[in-house]
Amino acid sequence: QQQVKQSPQSLIVQKGGISIINCAYENTAFDYFPWYQQFPGKGPALLIAIRPDVSEKKEGRFTISFNKSAKQFSLHIMDSQPGDSATYFCAATRSHSGGSNYKLTFGKGTLLTVNP
Amino acid sequence: DTEVTQTPKHLVMGMTNKKSLKCEQHMGHRAMYWYKQKAKKPPELMFVYSYEKLSINESVPSRFSPECPNSSLLNLHLHALQPEDSALYLCASSQVVGGINTDTQYFGPGTRLTVL
Repeated sequence: QQQVKQSPQSLIVQKGGISIINCAYENTAFDYFPWYQQFPGKGPALLIAIRPDVSEKKEGRFTISFNKSAKQFSLHIMDSQPGDSATYFCAATRSHSGGSNYKLTFGKGTLLTVNP
Repeated sequence: DTEVTQTPKHLVMGMTNKKSLKCEQHMGHRAMYWYKQKAKKPPELMFVYSYEKLSINESVPSRFSPECPNSSLLNLHLHALQPEDSALYLCASSQVVGGINTDTQYFGPGTRLTVL
């Protein structure tokens, strides 16, 4: 059972446009939602993360919007650049779940291509 | 510095070989993780170590044997692997505060493993 659903699977955006990736989760115990960016042949890098006590978090051109009632969160990339072309994974976890019982549940990923 | 290093970058091995993957971090993190990632898929958790003790084994076959010799090092010993084990193997680490794993996991660049 996939607990974090991510869409779209792939996305093509023109340079300067806005890229939007959406995720929906099922487990209401999740309370930490990071986004990872992964370039081919590299490990995932933490991009931005949010907790459900805020509805939006912005870091530079990257913004997470969070809708707790709908159990949805999304990543917006403003002024998308060719260098943003990568695979983006949303994830969710139940933080402070005690001891070492800590797992990230990933979405299936979105391949973003930004055309020059 | 949020760097996790992994060696080797690439590894090719036969099904009868024994090899090891190495992961190192100097961020003082006391939780370390092994993930397996197939092409176009999200990372899949294999093992979690907390304070050098194995706390999660996600039903990984015994041909994969993890080891945490100290708080900075994590090894994955490989023996009698199958071609389907070919993948990118990722190491990650996170802080432990008050006995609880914190949320942010930092990933290494991975080892690209090919089993012939």
